[in-house]
Amino acid sequence: NAGVMQNPRHLVRRRGQEARLRCSPMKGHSHVYWYRQLPEEGLKFMVYLQKENIIDESGMPKERFSAEFPKEGPSILRIQQVVRGDSAAYFCASSFVGSYEQYFGPGTRLTVT
Amino acid sequence: DQQVKQNSPSLSVQEGRISILNCDYTNSMFDYFLWYKKYPAEGPTFLISISSIKDKNEDGRFTVFLNKSAKHLSLHIVPSQPGDSAVYFCAASDTGNQFYFGTGTSLTVIP
Repeated sequence: NAGVMQNPRHLVRRRGQEARLRCSPMKGHSHVYWYRQLPEEGLKFMVYLQKENIIDESGMPKERFSAEFPKEGPSILRIQQVVRGDSAAYFCASSFVGSYEQYFGPGTRLTVT
Repeated sequence: DQQVKQNSPSLSVQEGRISILNCDYTNSMFDYFLWYKKYPAEGPTFLISISSIKDKNEDGRFTVFLNKSAKHLSLHIVPSQPGDSAVYFCAASDTGNQFYFGTGTSLTVIP
């Protein structure tokens, strides 16, 4: 039973480019969360989704960031026109409906040059 | 505004002794608390959780204690093993939608 999968594991983008981060939840999990971890900081909640629906995006920056979890395929976190401050580790987690226990992927380390 | 705080960035413990990791929170509406363990270059791994209706939950060498009046929880690991060396995060939620994480405590277990 595969765990939460994220790809790519490392992503380098120049300022102004777009970054797309993918997350495939654990089998049977219908809920996905995205977190960002800046150097020397804890994980910061960004967005909580279920298939075809955004439940809570209160942690997402208002501009340049978007997330989706389509009926088929992985969840995507999209960052447009990246800036150096977007450099961070981005973690995805998934859970069963109604469960508080989240299972994390290995993260995508985004570096903006 | 950091609603969940881990005030000790690091902790060193001798193998075989007890490790106590602490976490404080400010939001009295939090009703579920979790501890995660994280190794470098990996995602956090769920360890143990507790709901606000309990004050203790035990799983093998890991026990979590919750003191609601003090808005404090702690993770006890006994006996500590070198493989326990990692960064430990506590997290809290009030709705299950959004989880608030502390900044982590780096535990080193000395053989």
